[in-house]
Amino acid sequence: DQQVKQNSPSLSVQEGRISILNCDYTNSMFDYFLWYKKYPAEGPTFLISISSIKDKNEDGRFTVFLNKSAKHLSLHIVPSQPGDSAVYFCAASPSGNTPLVFGKGTRLSVIA
Amino acid sequence: GAVVSQHPSRVICKSGTSVKIECRSLDFQATTMFWYRQFPKKSLMLMATSNEGSKATYEQGVEKDKFLINHASLTLSTLTVTSAHPEDSSFYICSAKTGVAYGYTFGSGTRLTVV
Repeated sequence: DQQVKQNSPSLSVQEGRISILNCDYTNSMFDYFLWYKKYPAEGPTFLISISSIKDKNEDGRFTVFLNKSAKHLSLHIVPSQPGDSAVYFCAASPSGNTPLVFGKGTRLSVIA
Repeated sequence: GAVVSQHPSRVICKSGTSVKIECRSLDFQATTMFWYRQFPKKSLMLMATSNEGSKATYEQGVEKDKFLINHASLTLSTLTVTSAHPEDSSFYICSAKTGVAYGYTFGSGTRLTVV
């Protein structure tokens, strides 16, 4: 059973426009959510996170929104840049020293 | 920031041989490291949780005799793929908790190709 779902395998966006990447989860015990960016043949790099006590966290061009009642979070990138083209993974963590649970990723292509 | 150094970044080996992948935490102590495997166009799948000084905890379906994990110190965890087969070819990534609340950092990954 997939606990973290990214239902869009790919997304194409024009440079300068907004990119919205979505993620759904099923485990109500998750209390921290993270987004990672990954280039081919590299490890994931941390982008932004949000605690379950918040509904929004912003860092520069990146904003993560959390809707706990819907068990849904989204990553907004605005304005999108060609360098943002990568695979974005949504990850969730219950509390404690436990591993992250990842979604399958969404490949974002920002077209110049 | 917390850095995990993973080596080698790429390795090609013959079927039947063993390959060791190392992950070192460079500026922090990692009591726990996680080993992931990524198949093409798939998510990162957790293979095992490595705890310093104790046996690793393997996820269901992961052969512990094939994927040997050693976490002998607070800064080093190793994954050895024993008697490698072509189906073991994959991208392997380690991760460690940094000690900061909910902080995780990842190694750069190892591309293993078994021929």
